[in-house]
Amino acid sequence: EVQLVQSGAEVKKPGESLKISCKGSGYNFTKYWIGWVRQMPGKGLEWMGSIYPGGSDTRYSPSFQGQVTISVDKSISTAYLQWSSLKASDTAIYYCAKMAIALTTSSSFDYWGQGTLVTVSS
Amino acid sequence: DIQMTQSPSTLSASVGDRVTITCRASQSISIWLAWYQQKPGKAPKLLIYKASSLESGVPSRFSGSGSGTEFTLTISSLQADDLATYYCLQYETHHTFGPGTKVDI
Repeated sequence: EVQLVQSGAEVKKPGESLKISCKGSGYNFTKYWIGWVRQMPGKGLEWMGSIYPGGSDTRYSPSFQGQVTISVDKSISTAYLQWSSLKASDTAIYYCAKMAIALTTSSSFDYWGQGTLVTVSS
Repeated sequence: DIQMTQSPSTLSASVGDRVTITCRASQSISIWLAWYQQKPGKAPKLLIYKASSLESGVPSRFSGSGSGTEFTLTISSLQADDLATYYCLQYETHHTFGPGTKVDI
């Protein structure tokens, strides 16, 4: 069974750093790109960027380039999303999602993690 | 960047109604479009990919059509369980979601 299991909810202060995780299982983790999607409170879905676990090739949305870093540790089938200095506006639910087609970014997302709620407040 | 729009933004319908949601792309995306259903507090669920292909396990009352810049998601007979927000996603170049359509029963 394909599963993406994300790390738990976080409460942070502005200026702090954070790294959240997404562990894949039940499929060949290195062959499918993984994307990260933001959902701010009461708002829609925004694609942030994607990473290829087999080679660490990374693509970012222009809106998020330089704001976050996406990385992967294929030895433990885990993708990461990190911030070096959080802002209150980073408060959101963050989802990871696996692409449906192997070896390409031109694919829909078929499996999703459960989401990680990040709250940034002083 | 490819921009996506959806209409309507909200839709009120009754059980049994035929419901249609439209998604438009700012440039041609061929058939590289998916539709998702998101219920409150849940992750999105893939309904349709490649504009008109039904994801395994999704009820046949859901269907998709279109190509190029204009696409539609149709629910042939709305059920109470279909209360959700629906998003389109283009994946021709990177990924861009539409702003969503909230369906009230």
